Amino acid sequence: AQTVTQSQPEMSVQEAETVTLSCTYDTSESDYYLFWYKQPPSRQMILVIRQEAYKQQNATENRFSVNFQKAAKSFSLKISDSQLGDAAMYFCAYRSGDTGTASKLTFGTGTRLQVTL
Amino acid sequence: GAVVSQHPSWVICKSGTSVKIECRSLDFQATTMFWYRQFPKQSLMLMATSNEGSKATYEQGVEKDKFLINHASLTLSTLTVTSAHPEDSSFYICSARSGIHEQYFGPGTRLTVT
Repeated sequence: AQTVTQSQPEMSVQEAETVTLSCTYDTSESDYYLFWYKQPPSRQMILVIRQEAYKQQNATENRFSVNFQKAAKSFSLKISDSQLGDAAMYFCAYRSGDTGTASKLTFGTGTRLQVTL
Repeated sequence: GAVVSQHPSWVICKSGTSVKIECRSLDFQATTMFWYRQFPKQSLMLMATSNEGSKATYEQGVEKDKFLINHASLTLSTLTVTSAHPEDSSFYICSARSGIHEQYFGPGTRLTVT
């Protein structure tokens, strides 16, 4: 079974600074997807970024980028120019590349990000 | 992105009664829907996966007779908590996916059982 580990329960960053959230995973599969989701106080889950394992290039979405190290099974999220609205719980998630429609997300335990002035 | 709605957003019910939560995909057809439970300050725990027209597949430890899931159409899934008890109080989140594409989440339903 796949596991996702987020070793940082809480992180803090000053506004306009950069912060990196860590995530490691364990799998024996070669085809899979990795995700970062944001859950603000409203509790609405929002997809931040997605990475396909077969792609060597790290995914980027505006101020959000990942450092995907497939051999090390590491998938960290970098948030640049942090904003107050980035304060939220961040979940790393894994999904098998199995094309079966039942393939499901496995979530990490989450990292709570505080953004200070 | 695609929109998934949930209704109600918050429900209070008395112990022993049943409550139904609806999950709708508003602008796409959801071949697969997922139901999660989330306790305060914890991660999402998958309860069950359902494909349209099929019986739901429940995760280990989830009572299928207590948490009834119906996925009758490509845009609607329901979760019914039967004979609810205070320990069923939680935040329930549904998620929907079309084929192998992106998975979208509803805004969640807070259930309080008194």
